[in-house]
Amino acid sequence: ETGVTQTPRHLVMGMTNKKSLKCEQHLGHNAMYWYKQSAKKPLELMFVYNFKEQTENNSVPSRFSPECPNSSHLFLHLHTLQPEDSALYLCASSRDGDEQYFGPGTRLTVT
Amino acid sequence: DAKTTQPPSMDCAEGRAANLPCNHSTISGNEYVYWYRQIHSQGPQYIIHGLKNNETNEMASLIITEDRKSSTLILPHATLRDTAVYYCIVRSGSNSGYALNFGKGTSLLVTP
Repeated sequence: ETGVTQTPRHLVMGMTNKKSLKCEQHLGHNAMYWYKQSAKKPLELMFVYNFKEQTENNSVPSRFSPECPNSSHLFLHLHTLQPEDSALYLCASSRDGDEQYFGPGTRLTVT
Repeated sequence: DAKTTQPPSMDCAEGRAANLPCNHSTISGNEYVYWYRQIHSQGPQYIIHGLKNNETNEMASLIITEDRKSSTLILPHATLRDTAVYYCIVRSGSNSGYALNFGKGTSLLVTP
């Protein structure tokens, strides 16, 4: 247990569906992150939030929409995804730029 | 942040020390060396980090050369549960941006 939880752990969705991924951290951290890990590829940073404000968007398509209502919660809203968006989506948190703590990830399959 | 180079894969016998090298020849004075690992299909796990002094914690030791152009992560007594991909990451201190640049890492296989 890292103090970062993600739900759901597995998700299968059609290309026309709308779904959301949820991340919650119980560590009192101020920064939260979304990463994407496709099969046999390195982790790719998607978004960074610091004190609820988005500080980095790594050229992510608009079909991925993040939301950070407070420093403990982070969502990733998904709509009209493509099969190539199938991947492991990882959430992490940190105190400022210190070491990041990762959740277990959501395995997403787009059919 | 400076780029790192790691061997794609390594083997280690259970109970022996695993020494994972990392080259970061373009590292600058304010950049730290971080190590994470990722066990199959799980989230990455922080292991250790250092600036210029050698560091040790309950998981591993980090040896950084005097010129800081390379480092070695040492798992003193590897177990089967240490089989994972190990990532060496160089980044600036806390006030310089928070993103981590994960490369391909070293896939460590610990064998019985």
